[in-house]
Amino acid sequence: SAVISQKPSRDICQRGTSLTIQCQVDSQVTMMFWYRQQPGQSLTLIATANQGSEATYESGFVIDKFPISRPNLTFSTLTVSNMSPEDSSIYLCSVQRQGGDTQYFGPGTRLTVL
Amino acid sequence: GQQVMQIPQYQHVQEGEDFTTYCNSSTTLSNIQWYKQRPGGHPVFLIQLVKSGEVKKQKRLTFQFGEAKKNSSLHITATQTTDVGTYFCAGSNTGKLIFGQGTTLQVKP
Repeated sequence: SAVISQKPSRDICQRGTSLTIQCQVDSQVTMMFWYRQQPGQSLTLIATANQGSEATYESGFVIDKFPISRPNLTFSTLTVSNMSPEDSSIYLCSVQRQGGDTQYFGPGTRLTVL
Repeated sequence: GQQVMQIPQYQHVQEGEDFTTYCNSSTTLSNIQWYKQRPGGHPVFLIQLVKSGEVKKQKRLTFQFGEAKKNSSLHITATQTTDVGTYFCAGSNTGKLIFGQGTTLQVKP
């Protein structure tokens, strides 16, 4: 497994502002992903964070709204831009090691947008 | 696109009763994974099934992968209050995980 931390653990933000979420893992991993989990719902993949290049976004998610960085193999950030109440969700990062399919999740960031 | 359906959405059981959740994919999977999310927590990996017809056990939990690699089940024998949470299956055939909707289990003591 892997030890994954996320900052902040929760935040309450005003509409129109932006929030950057950090994900740190304790060892080098091949893949890092960002998910959104709306209240009472399942997990939806936002994007795959690629080290040293632009993230790969899933249908319905765009870089202008969810810019992602991954400067090295242990760290990634997700920014939720120009927030609206509909962005209130839990945002989770996950990691996957080389040669495996198993994903390990961070503790999540609980975002409320007023 | 690929879809993973999971039923039931909710299940309330008396402590000691058994519980089963079922997962069906619209396409053949390379593997299926199961996760548990406690209330207020994050998904925690339970197990991965890879082979057609595979059955794996973890104490009171039994996981099965269908012969066609399109369906799976998780069965809990004699539930305990510590089993409370939402159980997600997640199918993979492109390296990305597609999560089912989850089954939320409530256990009455």
